[in-house]
Amino acid sequence: ELKVEQNPLFLSMQEGKNYTIYCNYSTTSDRLYWYRQDPGKSLESLFVLLSNGAVKQEGRLMASLDTKARLSTLHITAAVHDLSATYFCAVDPTNAGKSTFGDGTTLTVKP
Amino acid sequence: DGGITQSPKYLFRKEGQNVTLSCEQNLNHDAMYWYRQDPGQGLRLIYYSQIVNDFQKGDIAEGYSVSREKKESFPLTVTSAQKNPTAFYLCASSPRASDYGYTFGSGTRLTVV
Repeated sequence: ELKVEQNPLFLSMQEGKNYTIYCNYSTTSDRLYWYRQDPGKSLESLFVLLSNGAVKQEGRLMASLDTKARLSTLHITAAVHDLSATYFCAVDPTNAGKSTFGDGTTLTVKP
Repeated sequence: DGGITQSPKYLFRKEGQNVTLSCEQNLNHDAMYWYRQDPGQGLRLIYYSQIVNDFQKGDIAEGYSVSREKKESFPLTVTSAQKNPTAFYLCASSPRASDYGYTFGSGTRLTVV
C-alpha cells in the first residue's frame, strides 16, 4: 500500500524566515504534485514535478523531486503572511492519473 | 472561463437518505475524480473515471456510487449505506495523461442531521 508522509504536519514560522516541508513516499514514482488549500476552501495546483531532479519555483516557493530517495521538498524563502495555508503533496506511481495525497502541512506565518 | 462547478455548496442529509452531489466541468478533461476530506486530514479517493461510461473504485468506495454518462459530468451519490458521510467532498478533473495536476471544484460540505 502506498504511503505518502509529510512533515512537519504543523509549522509556525515568523515572517522573513526560511523553512522546508518534506514529502516522503513509499513506492517508486517519477511524478509528484504539490497543492495549496486555504482554510475552508478547495485545493489549487502549485507544482507538477515529472522527473528525477526536477525543480520548479514560483515566487517564494520552490519544489524539488528526488525519485531515488522517494522525497520531495517544498522550500519557503522569506515567508510572508499570505503563504499561510495547508500544503499537500500527492503521488501517482502508476502514471494512471490517480493520485494519493499526504495528510498536509498546515503553515502559519506570523508577523 | 473553464473550470469545475460543484453543487450544492452545503448539503444536509437525514439518516437513511440518499443524496447526490453534482460535478460539471467545461475543461474538456477526460478524467474526473471524487475525493473525501475529513477535518484536519488529507484527501481519500472515492471513485474515478478516465473515460465516459467507465469508472473505478478508489480506496473508500463503500456506500457511494457514481455515473459517467457524459464527459462533462460525474455525479456522486452518497447512499444510506455510508454510515459516516459528514465530510468535505471534492471533485477534480485532469487531462488523461498524468503530466498535469488536478483542477479542483470548490467542494460540497455534507452534514448528517
